[in-house]
Amino acid sequence: DADVTQTPRNRITKTGKRIMLECSQTKGHDRMYWYRQDPGLGLRLIYYSFDVKDINKGEISDGYSVSRQAQAKFSLSLESAIPNQTALYFCATSLANEQFFGPGTRLTVL
Amino acid sequence: AQSVSQHNHHVILSEAASLELGCNYSYGGTVNLFWYVQYPGQHLQLLLKYFSGDPLVKGIKGFEAEFIKSKFSFNLRKPSVQWSDTAEYFCAVKKSGGGADGLTFGKGTHLIIQP
Repeated sequence: DADVTQTPRNRITKTGKRIMLECSQTKGHDRMYWYRQDPGLGLRLIYYSFDVKDINKGEISDGYSVSRQAQAKFSLSLESAIPNQTALYFCATSLANEQFFGPGTRLTVL
Repeated sequence: AQSVSQHNHHVILSEAASLELGCNYSYGGTVNLFWYVQYPGQHLQLLLKYFSGDPLVKGIKGFEAEFIKSKFSFNLRKPSVQWSDTAEYFCAVKKSGGGADGLTFGKGTHLIIQP
């Protein structure tokens, strides 16, 4: 969905490096989410945000942090990347219980 | 906590065969239910959703799903699959009534359609 964009689309990094994944949306939705997808595990929720002043931990928040810089921007950071954080990361927005996903960022931690 | 179970992790069918993918959830309250599809190399797209009303929901590309509350199920069906239906399919659940606690996804079913 072109209304939700993620950068970068692919990233390879080394263990211990700090990484930021960015998400922007033009849908005007207040609610934003970060998920990670691992083969055979589906998608799992990392963090979510009601609005700029509200941040909440999801199912698997350890090792991650987020920043909601504006209604349209929600960034995910890995303070010190480790190999088991290698995954496909999706940002999503939500309106009336329906979620709209970005194209994903494929992150590889060596 | 709610959970979602998809019974088949890998399904292989021939073109024109009928499809049914199982999905069960564990939450006892009112839920919103979704099926998403992820084509190879692409992001998730919504196939169909159930919020309330008619438990038989029709989605895009000829897919439908039936919500059976007594069985906590929301199985996805298609009468005749095509090669282009090869993809990963995810069932997802959200507690209804607002809130922004995200979706709970099943582990996915990898569907391969053979020509």
